[in-house]
Amino acid sequence: AQTVTQSQPEMSVQEAETVTLSCTYDTSENNYYLFWYKQPPSRQMILVIRQEAYKQQNATENRFSVNFQKAAKSFSLKISDSQLGDTAMYFCAFMKHMTTDSWGKLQFGSGTQVVVTP
Amino acid sequence: ETGVTQSPTHLIKTRGQQVTLRCSSQSGHNTVSWYQQALGQGPQFIFQYYREEENGRGNFPPRFSGLQFPNYSSELNVNALELDDSALYLCASSFGQVPYNEQFFGPGTRLTVL
Repeated sequence: AQTVTQSQPEMSVQEAETVTLSCTYDTSENNYYLFWYKQPPSRQMILVIRQEAYKQQNATENRFSVNFQKAAKSFSLKISDSQLGDTAMYFCAFMKHMTTDSWGKLQFGSGTQVVVTP
Repeated sequence: ETGVTQSPTHLIKTRGQQVTLRCSSQSGHNTVSWYQQALGQGPQFIFQYYREEENGRGNFPPRFSGLQFPNYSSELNVNALELDDSALYLCASSFGQVPYNEQFFGPGTRLTVL
């Protein structure tokens, strides 16, 4: 079974600064996908960034980038130039490569609350 | 293009009752997944429906059941409610097989069991 661990319950960052969220996972799979989702107070889960395990290049989406270390099973998220609207709960999630028993099954960590202050 | 919608927004039930939660997929999406998110925790996968058939299930008892309709909207039914069923229930829709296609989440239904 896979597990996803987020060891930082809460992180505070000032506007325009950079914050890095950590995520580790445990799996025996070789092919899988990793995600960071954002859940603001509105509760709607929003995909921030996605990484395919077979790709060595780290994914980036505007101010969001990841540091994917496959051997260490680590998948951290960096938020650059933080904005007030980035305040939310951030979840790291894992999904096995498509097999009959893994369809669409995201396994989430416990989340990290990010608070951006003026 | 409308997003994923869920109803009701909030619901209060008593232990032993039954509840039905509803989800309307984003236009054109044929896959729906349901998740349970207890307070202060990450979502837990309940099950997924693809073209009206259940094709994946998490570690939830049979009293959690679902349906997907021809228009790809979906229902989550929970029988014999327990206090631990109190949670935010999220549905997510996508077209085809994830993760090739992004899952879009609804705002959730907050269920409180007294």
